[in-house]
Amino acid sequence: NAGVTQTPKFQVLKTGQSMTLQCAQDMNHNSMYWYRQDPGMGLRLIYYSASEGTTDKGEVPNGYNVSRLNKREFSLRLESAAPSQTSVYFCATPRTDSYEQYFGPGTRLTVT
Amino acid sequence: GQQLNQSPQSMFIQEGEDVSMNCTSSSIFNTWLWYKQEPGEGPVLLIALYKAGELTSNGRLTAQFGITRKDSFLNISASIPSDVGIYFCAGNSFAQGGSEKLVFGKGTKLTVNP
Repeated sequence: NAGVTQTPKFQVLKTGQSMTLQCAQDMNHNSMYWYRQDPGMGLRLIYYSASEGTTDKGEVPNGYNVSRLNKREFSLRLESAAPSQTSVYFCATPRTDSYEQYFGPGTRLTVT
Repeated sequence: GQQLNQSPQSMFIQEGEDVSMNCTSSSIFNTWLWYKQEPGEGPVLLIALYKAGELTSNGRLTAQFGITRKDSFLNISASIPSDVGIYFCAGNSFAQGGSEKLVFGKGTKLTVNP
């Protein structure tokens, strides 16, 4: 039982390049979330998906797109990476009918 | 957006000392959660609180849901070197209208000197 997995663990991009961050959960939870974490800023919500087939913007959605591929998988795409998107990205999923979110190990992204 | 004020920002303590940190908000919360994040890892849930006044323990950790519903406290007793990390509070407030989204504090970075 892996819980929440994220790939890749590390990534370096040049400005303007695109990439997709992958997240998968084996907990059979309905909702999935994408956060970014920057020093001194805590965790900020980028996008979330309350159920398969639905997605909604969070606090900082600009520059990102998401896809809820199925119940297990929720991907985050950067179409044209910018240095301001250098951050650590976390995927999370709350237990159904609970606020208790469980986090993946993170993807550390550097944009040069 | 909503904010949680978490304090202190950082703590430097000696092994064996007790630690106390807290989170406050201007909004009323229906849930308080405490997470620990170790370097290079994702946050791990430590304690969840659902009722005003609730006091819950997890080993040497004790957390309380403030009676006003606007604050929460986390205490660590007899600290050990493996307590090092960043501790985050998080909550869901009634102002979010039933949304399951969480608001996070900015974290308390704990350093324990052996």
